[in-house]
Amino acid sequence: AQSVTQPDIHITVSEGASLELRCNYSYGATPYLFWYVQSPGQGLQLLLKYFSGDTLVQGIKGFEAEFKRSQSSFNLRKPSVHWSDAAEYFCAVGPGRRALTFGSGTRLQVQP
Amino acid sequence: DADVTQTPRNRITKTGKRIMLECSQTKGHDRMYWYRQDPGLGLRLIYYSFDVKDINKGEISDGYSVSRQAQAKFSLSLESAIPNQTALYFCATSDSGASGHAYNEQFFGPGTRLTVL
Repeated sequence: AQSVTQPDIHITVSEGASLELRCNYSYGATPYLFWYVQSPGQGLQLLLKYFSGDTLVQGIKGFEAEFKRSQSSFNLRKPSVHWSDAAEYFCAVGPGRRALTFGSGTRLQVQP
Repeated sequence: DADVTQTPRNRITKTGKRIMLECSQTKGHDRMYWYRQDPGLGLRLIYYSFDVKDINKGEISDGYSVSRQAQAKFSLSLESAIPNQTALYFCATSDSGASGHAYNEQFFGPGTRLTVL
C-alpha cells in the first residue's frame, strides 16, 4: 500500500533563512508526487508536482522539490523564507487505486 | 467565482442530527472526492466518485454517505452526527483525462468546518 511520511510535525525558521521540508513515500512503481500548501482558514493549493522527467521541479512562490528515487524522497525547498510562507504543507503521492495519499502535514512557523 | 465551492463553510450541530455538506464545481472535472482533516492526521479519504454512476468508499466511510447528483455536484451526509465527526471537511476534484495521467492535480474547495456538540 502507498504511504507518505512527513517526519517533521512543526518547523520554525527565521525570515530570510532557507527551508527544507521532508517527505518520504512508499509506492510500488514510479510515483506521482505533489506538495500542497494550506494557509490558515484556506483550502489546499498546489505548490508543485512531479510526474516524470527532470527530478528537480519548480513550483509557485519560489518553491522547488527534488525527486530522489533511491531515497524515496521528495523534499520541498525554498532558499529564502518569507513571513507569508507560514502555513501547513502536505506531501501527497499517487496514483493509487482510489485517490492521492496525503502525509500528516508539516506546520511552518516563520519568525521575524 | 471559485471553481470548487462548499456549503456551508461553518456548521455547529448536535449529536444525532442529520447533516449534509454540499460541493459544487465548475471545472468540468469527472472525479470528485470528500476528505476529512484532523490535526496531526492529514487528509483522509471518505468517499470518491469517478463519475456520476461510480461512487466508492474511502478509508473512513463509516458514518457517512454521499450522493453524486450531477457531474458538478457531490454531497456528503452524516445521517446521525457524533462528536468525533467534528473536523474540517474538504471536497476536491480532478480530471482523469486532461493530460493522460491517471491522477492529475486535485483542486480543493475552501472547506467546511463542522462541530458536533
